[in-house]
Amino acid sequence: NAGVTQTPKFQVLKTGQSMTLQCAQDMNHNSMYWYRQDPGMGLRLIYYSASEGTTDKGEVPNGYNVSRLNKREFSLRLESAAPSQTSVYFCASSDRDRGSTFFGQGTRLTVV
Amino acid sequence: GEDVEQSLFLSVREGDSSVINCTYTDSSSTYLYWYKQEPGAGLQLLTYIFSNMDMKQDQRLTVLLNKKDKHLSLRIADTQTGDSAIYFCAESMNTGFQKLVFGTGTRLLVSP
Repeated sequence: NAGVTQTPKFQVLKTGQSMTLQCAQDMNHNSMYWYRQDPGMGLRLIYYSASEGTTDKGEVPNGYNVSRLNKREFSLRLESAAPSQTSVYFCASSDRDRGSTFFGQGTRLTVV
Repeated sequence: GEDVEQSLFLSVREGDSSVINCTYTDSSSTYLYWYKQEPGAGLQLLTYIFSNMDMKQDQRLTVLLNKKDKHLSLRIADTQTGDSAIYFCAESMNTGFQKLVFGTGTRLLVSP
């Protein structure tokens, strides 16, 4: 019972490089999310997908794009990485039950 | 706008009670949550409370909500060293999915 699985767990990028963070959930949840966590700032929502086929911007979307590939998968893409995008990225999923947001283990990204 | 604030640090001795506080500004928040994050891990939902409730108890955890003052607290009874972690409060509005707004997190340190 994997829950929410993110890959990779760690990544170092050079400024200007691109990469895609992958996320998959096996709980048949409708909604999926990408958050970033920075020291002293809690988690901030980057993008979300309320249901398959829809995506919307969150609080800090600049520099990112997302794809809801199917109900299970929601990827986050950095087209041209910047040092300001050094952070820990969390994928999450939820269903209509208010208490059921589940988080992945996180991806620690460093941009040098 | 939405804003959730927490104190950054709390230190207690094993066996004592811990009280972690949170204030929020969005009066339309319908659900309020407490999450726990252990080092290098994702977020784990501890408990949540609906905005029309004043209190919720779950084993060693007690959540108190003062909606008038927009103040939420988490009390951990008989705190153990395994409770050492970062605790986040979060709020969401009554939408069909959980678009969470997180506080900055409170680091709880439990000493033997």
